[in-house]
Amino acid sequence: DADVTQTPRNRITKTGKRIMLECSQTKGHDRMYWYRQDPGLGLRLIYYSFDVKDINKGEISDGYSVSRQAQAKFSLSLESAIPNQTALYFCATSEIHTDTQYFGPGTRLTVL
Amino acid sequence: AQSVSQHNHHVILSEAASLELGCNYSYGGTVNLFWYVQYPGQHLQLLLKYFSGDPLVKGIKGFEAEFIKSKFSFNLRKPSVQWSDTAEYFCAVNGDTGFQKLVFGTGTRLLVSP
Repeated sequence: DADVTQTPRNRITKTGKRIMLECSQTKGHDRMYWYRQDPGLGLRLIYYSFDVKDINKGEISDGYSVSRQAQAKFSLSLESAIPNQTALYFCATSEIHTDTQYFGPGTRLTVL
Repeated sequence: AQSVSQHNHHVILSEAASLELGCNYSYGGTVNLFWYVQYPGQHLQLLLKYFSGDPLVKGIKGFEAEFIKSKFSFNLRKPSVQWSDTAEYFCAVNGDTGFQKLVFGTGTRLLVSP
């Protein structure tokens, strides 16, 4: 869905490096989410934001931080990447009054 | 806490076979239920959703799901699968927690052979 974009789409980095994944949306939604997907584990919520001033931890926030720069932008940072953060990362958005989430294309991150 | 179980991790079918993927959730209150599909190399897309009303929900591409409250289930069905249905399918639930936090199952990988 081109309404939710993620950059980069692929990234290989080394242990200890800081990395930022970016998400932008043109859907005008207030709510944004970051998930990671691992084989056999499905999607797990890292952080979510209900508006620019509201940031909340998800079930696996340790080792991650986020920034909601604007309604349309929500960035995920790994301050010091480690190999078990190798995963597929998805950003999603949703409207206030519905539970339907719309996903970006994903970022495949490899930490060596 | 809410949880979602998808018992079939891998399913292999021939074209034209019927499909049923199981999804069970644990939450005693009102729930909203979803099935998402992820085609190879693509992002998740909404297949169908249940909020209220008719427990038999029809989605895109001929898929349907039935909400059975007494069984805490929301199984996905399709009468006749196609090779293009090869994908990973995720069930997700959102309880009446007051905010939109989806809990996903671990996914079922479907392979349809031509």
